[in-house]
Amino acid sequence: SQKIEQNSEALNIQEGKTATLTCNYTNYSPAYLQWYRQDPGRGPVFLLLIRENEKEKRKERLKVTFDTTLKQSLFHITASQPADSATYLCALVAGGYQKVTFGTGTKLQVIP
Amino acid sequence: DAGITQSPRYKITETGRQVTLMCHQTWSHSYMFWYRQDLGHGLRLIYYSAAADITDKGEVPDGYVVSRSKTENFPLTLESATRSQTSVYFCASSEWRLGTGELFFGEGSRLTVL
Repeated sequence: SQKIEQNSEALNIQEGKTATLTCNYTNYSPAYLQWYRQDPGRGPVFLLLIRENEKEKRKERLKVTFDTTLKQSLFHITASQPADSATYLCALVAGGYQKVTFGTGTKLQVIP
Repeated sequence: DAGITQSPRYKITETGRQVTLMCHQTWSHSYMFWYRQDLGHGLRLIYYSAAADITDKGEVPDGYVVSRSKTENFPLTLESATRSQTSVYFCASSEWRLGTGELFFGEGSRLTVL
């Protein structure tokens, strides 16, 4: 069966360090992989998209990698700040724009 | 304000009652979606719509009804609410012309069924 796995345990890191979140998937052939941020009591907000033929994408302090052989995406936040504390969701887009499937998310806590 | 709005934000109801959650978007996006979010399950797709009068089932459609008579509105109805439908419901929209499948979410509707 299809599965998207994110580390269900919270990730605590020190301010200024690089946070790395993992998204693994099985039985998918995604055209895109997306990352969203979700704050408590709010809806998810889109951050980045990476296509299947792209290895890496950057946006300011964010970097996403996509390895279709390993079936894995890594999401990095460099020089992390307490304001980066949130839950981060990965989502796969496969088979059409309506086919967006989400992982369960990883909660990141950046400690001052 | 432009964007996607959901109402009500909070709702408490009783088992067996009908409940309708409203969703309105001002971007004229083609696609609209309803997701529910539960601990341990993440976001799961209930129904989606590709355009007015076109709807289709997602992963967990049982017990829900949708309609889309106008592009900007996509209400979700629980015809006879059950306790298992206690959840946070998110409406989202997207536009295929953007080419990314990016979803724009509302703030959510927290539903409690007693």
